[in-house]
Amino acid sequence: GENVGLHLPTLSVQEGDNSIINCAYSNSASDYFIWYKQESGKGPQFIIDIRSNMDKRQGQRVTVLLNKTVKHLSLQIAATQPGDSAVYFCAENSMEYGNKLVFGAGTILRVKS
Amino acid sequence: NAGVMQNPRHLVRRRGQEARLRCSPVKGHSHVYWYRQLPEEGLKFMVYLQKENIIDESGMPKERFSAEFPKEGPSILRIQQVVRGDSAAYFCASSNKRGSNTEAFFGQGTRLTVV
Repeated sequence: GENVGLHLPTLSVQEGDNSIINCAYSNSASDYFIWYKQESGKGPQFIIDIRSNMDKRQGQRVTVLLNKTVKHLSLQIAATQPGDSAVYFCAENSMEYGNKLVFGAGTILRVKS
Repeated sequence: NAGVMQNPRHLVRRRGQEARLRCSPVKGHSHVYWYRQLPEEGLKFMVYLQKENIIDESGMPKERFSAEFPKEGPSILRIQQVVRGDSAAYFCASSNKRGSNTEAFFGQGTRLTVV
């Protein structure tokens, strides 16, 4: 469901290291998932998506893993760069939600140079 | 996504005034979603509209809030008699079809401050 009123967890990584951001989604019927990146003062920016018939999808420097058994989604960022510093949100979509995206609480990623 | 245009970017209103937030979707998109975000929190769904129709307004307060997406022109989120608790960032997203498996593109948001 939607996590409102919670302070966001923070992940600090060294530049060049790999980052793993996790998300627990709530609806086992969700069939589409998106990771968004939100920089300060800006709107969410699409990073990568995955459908429920897949368990892994790769993009440029990013990989999304989906574990439907435990309703878990992760975003892996390879060779993290300072420009990756932002808040990352996962979002789920399902017919049960009326085809609207439901967002998780978000994780702050801080990249140390 | 630069294709979704929201204005104004910043809006200051005194308590009791009305706030009107505008959203022009990506060209060709007929589905619009409004979300609200408090500082250091996630995006909370408010309302989903298709041209001239409200599809889902389950996240929108029953009082003082309304939304429309006319046949011509931008989608409007209207907040009447604003209160301090309405201060937040309001984001609009658009997509080109209904259904899951549909990527939504977000605008840069309108930051409403009620003084």
